[in-house]
Amino acid sequence: IQMTQSPSTLSASVGDRVTITCRASQSISDLLAWYQQQPGKAPNLLIYKASSLESGVPSRFSGSGSGTEFTLTITGLQPDDFATYYCQQYNSYSWTFGQGTKVEIK
Amino acid sequence: EVQLVESGGDLVQPGESLRLSCAASGFPFSSYVMTWVRLPPGKGLEWVSTISHPGTSPYYADSVKGRFTISRDNFKNTLYLQMNTLRADDTAVYYCAKASSGYSGLFDYWGQGTLVTVSS
Repeated sequence: IQMTQSPSTLSASVGDRVTITCRASQSISDLLAWYQQQPGKAPNLLIYKASSLESGVPSRFSGSGSGTEFTLTITGLQPDDFATYYCQQYNSYSWTFGQGTKVEIK
Repeated sequence: EVQLVESGGDLVQPGESLRLSCAASGFPFSSYVMTWVRLPPGKGLEWVSTISHPGTSPYYADSVKGRFTISRDNFKNTLYLQMNTLRADDTAVYYCAKASSGYSGLFDYWGQGTLVTVSS
C-alpha cells in the first residue's frame, strides 16, 4: 500500500491553521497514524485510528478520514509544531509511511 | 517509564556486517511486538522489520529481505537487527519502536536512534 502526502513542504506562521493530506493507494479503513518528528529526535505518535488523539498530545492536533483519504489539522500553530509530519498505514504488512510534510516558519 | 535505547551503529564499508541492539525497559517487553524503522538522510521514514512478541514470526521489507535478520531476547529485554551485505542505500538512522497493544503496526514508543553509515 502506497501512502502519498501533500504538500511536501508547507510554510506557515504561529497561530495559523494548517492541514496536511494523506492518500492511500487502497482502502485502509481507519488504520492510519500521524507522527511528528523534530530534527535529530525520534518520531512521536500524535494520532491513531485516523482521529484518536494519543495521550499527552495537545488538542490543537486533530485527524479525520477513512478509506483512502485522511487529513491532519493543526489549529493554532505553535513554535514547537515546526517539524516534519508523517502519515502511516497499519492496515497490512508491509507498514508504509508517507514521504513526509515539512512545516516551516513563513 | 518506557525506554528504548539503540546501540551498535557505526561507519562500515559496503558488503560488511553490523548488529544493532535495542535495550528496552519500563514495560513487559516479552508481551509486545517490536519493530525497526529507518530514516535515510534527506528521505522519509521506512519500515524495516517487525518481530512477534515470542520472536517466532519475523517480517521484512523487500529492500532488506535476505540480508537483515531481526531477533529478540525476552530474558535480556533486548531487540536485535543483524545486517549483512550492507549497501550504501542502507545508510540511515535506525530506530527501534514498540507496538501498541492490539495493533502490531502502530508504534507508540520510539528510541532515539543509532546511525549506520555505509561508505567506502
